[in-house]
Amino acid sequence: GQNIDQPTEMTATEGAIVQINCTYQTSGFNGLFWYQQHAGEAPTFLSYNVLDGLEEKGRFSSFLSRSKGYSYLLLKELQMKDSASYLCAPYTGGFKTIFGAGTRLFVKA
Amino acid sequence: GAVVSQHPSRVICKSGTSVKIECRSLDFQATTMFWYRQFPKQSLMLMATSNEGSKATYEQGVEKDKFLINHASLTLSTLTVTSAHPEDSSFYICSARDLSGSSTDTQYFGPGTRLTVL
Repeated sequence: GQNIDQPTEMTATEGAIVQINCTYQTSGFNGLFWYQQHAGEAPTFLSYNVLDGLEEKGRFSSFLSRSKGYSYLLLKELQMKDSASYLCAPYTGGFKTIFGAGTRLFVKA
Repeated sequence: GAVVSQHPSRVICKSGTSVKIECRSLDFQATTMFWYRQFPKQSLMLMATSNEGSKATYEQGVEKDKFLINHASLTLSTLTVTSAHPEDSSFYICSARDLSGSSTDTQYFGPGTRLTVL
């Protein structure tokens, strides 16, 4: 079956660094997406990891370990606008993307 | 990046009526589009995969006769909620894959349609 596990909520301070973890078990795996979703809006693409390791893109970085079924999203220099839900989404076989419940991040001043 | 549009963005209808939602890829061809539903504070749930020129593939538990999907062209897929009821009220989001050869193979989302059935 499919299972995606990420924390429900996290709180961090403006300017700080936060790491959002995700573990997954899926039938088939091609890569892993991270999306950001503000309340009432559609998800926006942040990153896509296929190979093991860390990929850095500005303030956001994403890490993948295929053997461990584990990924994390690292957000640096947090800003108030980063308050949103972050969705871990494995791209499984059959060209399907399966979404986790998301982690609601609250950034406080 | 690629753009996906959805229309309408918001719709309110009476119970028993049908509602059609359009999803368009504006600057790329999408052989495959996906329809998701999201209830408040919950994850996106895949409803069906829409392939151009063929029948949609529905996820388990999704009624294909209630949620009609048509993918008539490489840039347009439609979802029709037939005989809508209040429990169908939700945020419906489409996405499209850009398979133009990009290594990212990203899935782009439309802005979503909020359906309220009275």
